[in-house]
Amino acid sequence: GESVGLHLPTLSVQEGDNSIINCAYSNSASDYFIWYKQESGKGPQFIIDIRSNMDKRQGQRVTVLLNKTVKHLSLQIAATQPGDSAVYFCAENVSGTYKYIFGTGTRLKVLA
Amino acid sequence: DSGVTQTPKHLITATGQRVTLRCSPRSGDLSVYWYQQSLDQGLQFLIQYYNGEERAKGNILERFSAQQFPDLHSELNLSSLELGDSALYFCASSGAGEVTDTQYFGPGTRLTVL
Repeated sequence: GESVGLHLPTLSVQEGDNSIINCAYSNSASDYFIWYKQESGKGPQFIIDIRSNMDKRQGQRVTVLLNKTVKHLSLQIAATQPGDSAVYFCAENVSGTYKYIFGTGTRLKVLA
Repeated sequence: DSGVTQTPKHLITATGQRVTLRCSPRSGDLSVYWYQQSLDQGLQFLIQYYNGEERAKGNILERFSAQQFPDLHSELNLSSLELGDSALYFCASSGAGEVTDTQYFGPGTRLTVL
């Protein structure tokens, strides 16, 4: 069944192309950020994280970029595959707290 | 499979009622988190427990309460239910409950309040 809201922004990409998903975070005091993937009917799944002392971090096929000046985070997925189809959202942790604030999410559709 | 289990999978109840959602963390994880995911508000952090003690509170209503038991499983109690409480409720667990610990999410409980 559907896990998240029906009115999420959608990014459609061709299989094999690169995807870029953006997130504007809310609190300038946030110093730790996470990207999650949520497939239909499942719970969120950790993809990659980044601390505020870094601008870029790479994982397997994924890269996260952090721009603290404009409070912006992006997730780049290389060579997008059908299995990447999901909702992606960012989360931020405000320094000194254990609380997390989540973005609204972007639906990624991979076209064959 | 994340190793986190949640029961029940689906719950349908009426306004004014009370329900209990249950979560078993991954083996060895000491910290449990509860989240609410609704259509209009996205994912919201509710509360975190570490080794039986409350560690952090988010946007949890006073009608909601949670606890973590000595065997580390957790329950989220929702009372005086309203239509707006209809949502997916996720539990997650992590090892030591630190901010940078990876959280593993369960499959969720879908609550429908009629």
